[in-house]
Amino acid sequence: DGGITQSPKYLFRKEGQNVTLSCEQNLNHDAMYWYRQDPGQGLRLIYYSQIVNDFQKGDIAEGYSVSREKKESFPLTVTSAQKNPTAFYLCASQISTSGGGNEQFFGPGTRLTVL
Amino acid sequence: KNQVEQSPQSLIILEGKNCTLQCNYTVSPFSNLRWYKQDTGRGPVSLTIMTFSENTKSNGRYTATLDADTKQSSLHITASQLSDSASYICVVKDNAGNMLTFGGGTRLMVKP
Repeated sequence: DGGITQSPKYLFRKEGQNVTLSCEQNLNHDAMYWYRQDPGQGLRLIYYSQIVNDFQKGDIAEGYSVSREKKESFPLTVTSAQKNPTAFYLCASQISTSGGGNEQFFGPGTRLTVL
Repeated sequence: KNQVEQSPQSLIILEGKNCTLQCNYTVSPFSNLRWYKQDTGRGPVSLTIMTFSENTKSNGRYTATLDADTKQSSLHITASQLSDSASYICVVKDNAGNMLTFGGGTRLMVKP
């Protein structure tokens, strides 16, 4: 069953805690992305990775960190430095960043709530 | 700054009726435009993708149009079904950094 998975589906965090959101894909895609979605707003790019052991900041990287040690995995850590972390987080993957027509496939999302 | 604006923000229609969603963009240089459907609490799923040279593309009851001159796109849904209730997101890719700009979405509710 190929695809992109995210866990957990729901996550609650106390203020001041770091949490890590999981994203795994078995599509053999080189590129992976993390987005944040807030009500009524377009998705905003947090971080992206074009290849293993390499990643770049997106538009709203402050307060977040990532790693890309394996092609299949791109975990996102929401640190205590992120001032407003409550949101819906979406992970996506794409076969590569070259080729304009390559489609991004999205995971089911993780809803993070800070208590 | 690249921007994608969608209208209306929300829409309620009766089952069986047609509707049209609008998308205006200022992304440059343009690569392609995509429409995604996002069910509540789920990830977006691609409906159509159009390049500069394409002005219409269909996927079942969904038909997307693109006017690259006026930088406008529309998504027409025919004979709506209850399962069409979702958010529809317009996404434009630029040809420079290969990055995506997302619209805020139109939330469609189909009522019986």
